[in-house]
Amino acid sequence: QVQLVESGGGVVQPGGSLRLSCAASGFTFSSYGMHWVRQAPGKGLEWVAFIRYDGSNKYYADSVKGRFTISRDNSKNTLYLQMNSLRAEDTAVYYCAKSVHDYGDFFDYWGQGTLVTVSS
Amino acid sequence: SYVLTQPPSVSVAPGQTARITCGGNNIGSKSVHWYQQKPGQAPVLVVYDDSDRPSGIPERFSGSNSGNTATLTISRVEAGDEADYYCQVWDSSSDHYVFGTGTKVTVL
Repeated sequence: QVQLVESGGGVVQPGGSLRLSCAASGFTFSSYGMHWVRQAPGKGLEWVAFIRYDGSNKYYADSVKGRFTISRDNSKNTLYLQMNSLRAEDTAVYYCAKSVHDYGDFFDYWGQGTLVTVSS
Repeated sequence: SYVLTQPPSVSVAPGQTARITCGGNNIGSKSVHWYQQKPGQAPVLVVYDDSDRPSGIPERFSGSNSGNTATLTISRVEAGDEADYYCQVWDSSSDHYVFGTGTKVTVL
């Protein structure tokens, strides 16, 4: 069965950096687009970033563009999110999610999330 | 940027029907997807492409989409349906994925 397991969350000071990972199993990782979606405490869902199945194209929410970088290693079945210049408003649970196909569709599987707290 | 608006809350008695709306400019021209999220859990897809259900989702969950409003309908509501529900579309003009503001469904 499809499994997505996020890791790398924690507490970081404003202006700091953190790298999240998402280990995928139960499907052919290299054939599907992947996303990061976040949820601030008590708030709604916010799409963060998307990467195509082969890493050829990446898209970002305006709120993180220029600070966050999505990447993937298909040989390791792992998705990453490098987060730089972190702000208090980046505090959230970060979910990785699988695209049902590749581009322009929706999310059929989600991980359980990893909490990122940006605080001094 | 494209905006999706949902009512903050919907209350419904057990056995009745809950309707959750998702408003957006000409949303009828887009494919709308719906997610259920229970407290402390990850979202779960309940309807995709306006009205299709993933395997394992009860027939009580249905969707429609026309004009400026998409609707998720939950028939014969059960206590276990109490959750937050989010609509979602892909905005091709910006290559962004957009979520609605979310609706909390309370079963009375």
